[in-house]
Amino acid sequence: EVQLVETGGDLIQPGGSLRLSCAASGFVFSSNYMSWVRQAPGKGLEWVSIIYGDGTTDYTDSVKGRFIISRDNSKNIVSLQMNSLRAEDTAVYFCARVGGSGWYFDFWGQGTLVTVSS
Amino acid sequence: SYELTQPPSVSVSPGETASISCSGDKLGERFASWYQQRPGQSPVLVIYRDTERPSGIPERFSGSNSGNTATLTISGTQAMDEADYYCQAWDSSTGVFGTGTKVTVL
Repeated sequence: EVQLVETGGDLIQPGGSLRLSCAASGFVFSSNYMSWVRQAPGKGLEWVSIIYGDGTTDYTDSVKGRFIISRDNSKNIVSLQMNSLRAEDTAVYFCARVGGSGWYFDFWGQGTLVTVSS
Repeated sequence: SYELTQPPSVSVSPGETASISCSGDKLGERFASWYQQRPGQSPVLVIYRDTERPSGIPERFSGSNSGNTATLTISGTQAMDEADYYCQAWDSSTGVFGTGTKVTVL
């Protein structure tokens, strides 16, 4: 059974840093692309970042230069290092597996809440 | 930047058909996927690669994609289908979600 479990969400002041982790199990982690998707309170889904099997990455424009996605294939963990946090980064952050050649998100974690506020 | 537009809300009577549109420039030339999100829950994939249904998703969910519009159709809508629905596609290597549609089963 595929499982994705996010941790690391917290209340953080503007300008601060936070690291989210997603522990994966139930599939061959190194073979899959992984993504982070966020949802601000009462708002829609927003794609944040992707990391491919070879470690290359992409980001949505609003987090470029501030967020870093990484993966540890030996521990089956994908992480999101978030720096220079802003109020508008407040959201539930979901970890999602990118499935198949059609590039869809076939499994999602339960999400972890990041609140950026003074 | 690439945008996907959905109607904010769709209302449907139990047993009837609900159709949710997703509009984007030349969307038919990309693969579209659809996600269902019930309140307080994580999204669930209901359609991928325009028309494919994951295992465990009821047959009443179907999808199409042509021209500038992808469509999610729920046939014989049930009360449990009341949720928010999001379309999604890729613009080069950037993921894009639609604006979301709240489906209300009256």
